[in-house]
Amino acid sequence: DAGVTQSPTHLIKTRGQHVTLRCSPISGHKSVSWYQQVLGQGPQFIFQYYEKEERGRGNFPDRFSARQFPNYSSELNVNALLLGDSALYLCASSLALAGVSTGELFFGEGSRLTVL
Amino acid sequence: DQQVKQNSPSLSVQEGRISILNCDYTNSMFDYFLWYKKYPAEGPTFLISISSIKDKNEDGRFTVFLNKSAKHLSLHIVPSQPGDSAVYFCAASRTTSGTYKYIFGTGTRLKVLA
Repeated sequence: DAGVTQSPTHLIKTRGQHVTLRCSPISGHKSVSWYQQVLGQGPQFIFQYYEKEERGRGNFPDRFSARQFPNYSSELNVNALLLGDSALYLCASSLALAGVSTGELFFGEGSRLTVL
Repeated sequence: DQQVKQNSPSLSVQEGRISILNCDYTNSMFDYFLWYKKYPAEGPTFLISISSIKDKNEDGRFTVFLNKSAKHLSLHIVPSQPGDSAVYFCAASRTTSGTYKYIFGTGTRLKVLA
């Protein structure tokens, strides 16, 4: 079984540009979450989507947006990139939401974004 | 406000001995906790979880202990192996919120010496 897949794995952008990161969850998983990991820190929650609806948003500016498609894959979009957006962006999938199944998140390998 | 803290940035242990990684949290509403292991250039890998209704959960060489009154959890690895060398993150969630928004600690780098 394929795990969580993310693309691209690495990318370089310049300040002010826009980026789209993509994620395919584990087959059968209906929830996708996005996390940002800056060097030396733990992952920080950005968004969670379940059944194509946003179910949670972290403390990130409106430049960050996401969506989930009918096949449960997801995109994370970041507009007007800043140097501080340089990070590893992790996508995680889970079966469902709290109270429905166990809570383990399964992470992809991440997309390493460098903003110059 | 760092709600989940891993105060030891690094830990070195001899192969075969016990590794103990610690994690403290401040939010008493957290009711589900996980430990993840991360190798360089890979995403975090789930290790073990514990619900707040338990105080211990065991899976093979890995045991997680939860002390709710102290708001403290620990991960024990016995025996430690060189392949366990990685960064370990604890994470906490308030599942009654309806999401799996996890708050992660900053990680502890474990080095198991052969």
